Amino acid sequence: AQSVAQPEDQVNVAEGNPLTVKCTYSVSGNPYLFWYVQYPNRGLQFLLKYITGDNLVKGSYGFEAEFNKSQTSFHLKKPSALVSDSALYFCAVRFLMDSSYKLIFGSGTRLLVRP
Amino acid sequence: GAVVSQHPSRVICKSGTSVKIECRSLDFQATTMFWYRQFPKKSLMLMATSNEGSKATYEQGVEKDKFLINHASLTLSTLTVTSAHPEDSSFYICSATSGYTGELFFGEGSRLTVL
Repeated sequence: AQSVAQPEDQVNVAEGNPLTVKCTYSVSGNPYLFWYVQYPNRGLQFLLKYITGDNLVKGSYGFEAEFNKSQTSFHLKKPSALVSDSALYFCAVRFLMDSSYKLIFGSGTRLLVRP
Repeated sequence: GAVVSQHPSRVICKSGTSVKIECRSLDFQATTMFWYRQFPKKSLMLMATSNEGSKATYEQGVEKDKFLINHASLTLSTLTVTSAHPEDSSFYICSATSGYTGELFFGEGSRLTVL
């Protein structure tokens, strides 16, 4: 079955330190990979995506993610965390199935950046 | 970027009544819309995929007769929760895209509370 895994429920990091939010996937074919951020009682905001090409993808708010095909991972990273980065982060995968496509999400990782 | 408008943002209804949630793409034609349900502190569960002019494709375990989805035009999809019960209380989020490689945009979500 197609799936996306975010192994950490919560990531804690001090402001100014680098952060990593992990994501691995199990999808056949060549999926498209996404990261979204969600603030309380709000919809999802797009951060970045990987379709093809350079494995290092740069996105909004200084975030980047590295696609690793052999490890089927797409970890989100930021060199220097801000308190305002504290939110819920979702990894997502889009893939084709039965001539249509779906977008499924990981379980989410809460990022807490302390001052 | 493109905007997806979801209405209402909050709705409270009595048990046994029906509630309709609208999802509109404001500045692009959405050939496909997705409906998700999010439980507290949980990820987004894909409920159904709707393509303009055709019947929605529901995920396993989602009751078609309870969650009616209509995608009558390229800019509007509706989710109707019929005969709502307290267990239907949740945060419902729609997303829209213009195609498989197109960007996916999310509405702000609708919080349904069934008394």
